[in-house]
Amino acid sequence: GDSVTQMEGPVTLSEEAFLTINCTYTATGYPSLFWYVQYPGEGLQLLLKATKADDKGSNKGFEATYRKETTSFHLEKGSVQVSDSAVYFCALTGAFAIYNQGGKLIFGQGTELSVKP
Amino acid sequence: DTEVTQTPKHLVMGMTNKKSLKCEQHMGHRAMYWYKQKAKKPPELMFVYSYEKLSINESVPSRFSPECPNSSLLNLHLHALQPEDSALYLCASSRTFPGHFSPLHFGNGTRLTVT
Repeated sequence: GDSVTQMEGPVTLSEEAFLTINCTYTATGYPSLFWYVQYPGEGLQLLLKATKADDKGSNKGFEATYRKETTSFHLEKGSVQVSDSAVYFCALTGAFAIYNQGGKLIFGQGTELSVKP
Repeated sequence: DTEVTQTPKHLVMGMTNKKSLKCEQHMGHRAMYWYKQKAKKPPELMFVYSYEKLSINESVPSRFSPECPNSSLLNLHLHALQPEDSALYLCASSRTFPGHFSPLHFGNGTRLTVT
């Protein structure tokens, strides 16, 4: 079945450092890919998405490119801020519900990011 | 501000109590979800409603009972819970289900503690 693998955290960076959180997936066909962010004490917010190969999703300075050849959707930001401290979840919905557990959103394990001043 | 509203924000209940969690959205979405989340783990799907009909029940114990009175509202009725049910309960909605191109919008959750 479809699955998502994220790099393990926690990740600790200094303010203004470059961020990469790796995400790779296994899926049949062409899934839609998402990054969700969860700030402390809150629910999940959609950060960005990409629905076809070579699409680049971007929001709030974060970017991720849908790479079919490497089955990856790595999250990047050029200069992180303390306010970016959160847990980041990579996720997918499969193109074919029959292979994707009925069309559910499949999450990675999450990566906790801590940014120090 | 989230477009999915959940009440209450916090709930403490004993193992013999009956309580309900409520969720509301006004985005015209026709799919609504309940998730359970333990600390720093991904959300675990519990139920999916599509066009007000239960579409998925992830083998959730009967002490959790979902209800979808209309397309904007979703309830989760709780009865005889166990301490291990303590968690953050998240409601979400999406335009459709299955929704290949339809991202989920989450509420801020209800923090439930079972004593």
